[in-house]
Amino acid sequence: KAGVTQTPRYLIKTRGQQVTLSCSPISGHRSVSWYQQTPGQGLQFLFEYFSETQRNKGNFPGRFSGRQFSNSRSEMNVSTLELGDSALYLCASSLAQRGSPLHFGNGTRLTVT
Amino acid sequence: AQRVTQPEKLLSVFKGAPVELKCNYSYSGSPELFWYVQYSRQRLQLLLRHISRESIKGFTADLNKGETSFHLKKPFAQEEDSAMYYCALSGYYGGSQGNLIFGKGTKLSVKP
Repeated sequence: KAGVTQTPRYLIKTRGQQVTLSCSPISGHRSVSWYQQTPGQGLQFLFEYFSETQRNKGNFPGRFSGRQFSNSRSEMNVSTLELGDSALYLCASSLAQRGSPLHFGNGTRLTVT
Repeated sequence: AQRVTQPEKLLSVFKGAPVELKCNYSYSGSPELFWYVQYSRQRLQLLLRHISRESIKGFTADLNKGETSFHLKKPFAQEEDSAMYYCALSGYYGGSQGNLIFGKGTKLSVKP
């Protein structure tokens, strides 16, 4: 089975711009979660989607949003970028059963200048 | 509040020595705990989960609800165990557990 695929791998944006990141989950996985990883804060949960519905949301401002399509692919969007949004954004998919592990992608490295 | 604490940022041991990576959690309910590992230039991947009570690559972890701990142990460290290790707690909601609370991670370095 192909793993979780994230595109693009790297992005450089300037402050005030917006960005869209894409994630293709493992086939058959209906849950997709997004995490932000930074050296200072570590891994922080952004949101989770299941069957095209946002199931959970972390403590991030409304500039961070996402969606999931009927084929379980997901996108996250960050509007009005700030320098502090520079981070590695990880997507993970799972079978959405209790105790089922998350399978992570390689991430998208976003740099905001 | 739900929280995972990994007190050691870096743990350095010699090959063949025992390893214990500490993890303490704060959670009001029945926790689901995991250890994830990230080897150099590889993606974050599951190492083991407490519900499986399994041993993976010689590592074991026991959930101690009294001490709210889920320490990762291996009796004899190998150089290939060098990696970043993350303890994670599942915030389980209504049939799904995509919301994991991660510790800050411990970098394990195994010296020859």
